[in-house]
Amino acid sequence: QSALTQPRSVSGSPGQSVTISCTGTSSDIGAYNYVSWYQQHPGKAPRLMIYDVTKRPSGVPDRFSGSKSGNTASLTISGLQAEDEADYYCCSYSGSYTSSIFGGGTKLTVL
Amino acid sequence: EVQLVESGGGLVQPGGSLRLSCAASGFTFSSYWMHWVRQAPGKGPVWVSRTNSDGSSTTYADSVKGRFTISRDNAKNTLYLQMNSLGAEDTAVYYCAREPMSDYYFDYWGQGTLVTVSS
Repeated sequence: QSALTQPRSVSGSPGQSVTISCTGTSSDIGAYNYVSWYQQHPGKAPRLMIYDVTKRPSGVPDRFSGSKSGNTASLTISGLQAEDEADYYCCSYSGSYTSSIFGGGTKLTVL
Repeated sequence: EVQLVESGGGLVQPGGSLRLSCAASGFTFSSYWMHWVRQAPGKGPVWVSRTNSDGSSTTYADSVKGRFTISRDNAKNTLYLQMNSLGAEDTAVYYCAREPMSDYYFDYWGQGTLVTVSS
């Protein structure tokens, strides 16, 4: 099973908005509303930012939002801040036998 | 506070074995499904294996099936990953992660333990 497809990099200036896409198939993103997004700073463990496509865990700023259309999910970060610079990974449930599949990651640069 | 602390990583020769541990605290370990996720240097995370709350049901990625075994000791609040027949492709940071009840994502991750397979 191939990884979900994400752009390698995106960038934006402080205060701007950026959107990271994540494309899967009808067997993962298209089949379930179980898309999650993780932020990872260098040398650190991934941190949950969005789950169930649109939900935010407590402690995650409301500048982070998620959505899904068909086989593609998106993470939007508005009001970019310097600390948002990190790698972002999408993840989708893909069934009981394969569990979860991740994207290859997108490096966000805050200019 | 939920904490997951992995240990057991290190340098191992091709064909060798290693056993990883993940010590859990701050929550009722026996109530949660648990996973191992690995991340090769410079790459995205890859799901490896999962176990249900009592260890009676386990699932593996095709890439590790038959070589890796996930298990847990709920009395010790510890998750394990026994890795055999290791190859260079298994070199990665290995994370244990918690899956919330009745949902499909990872809400807490450990800090990871590095496994390097090299001669």
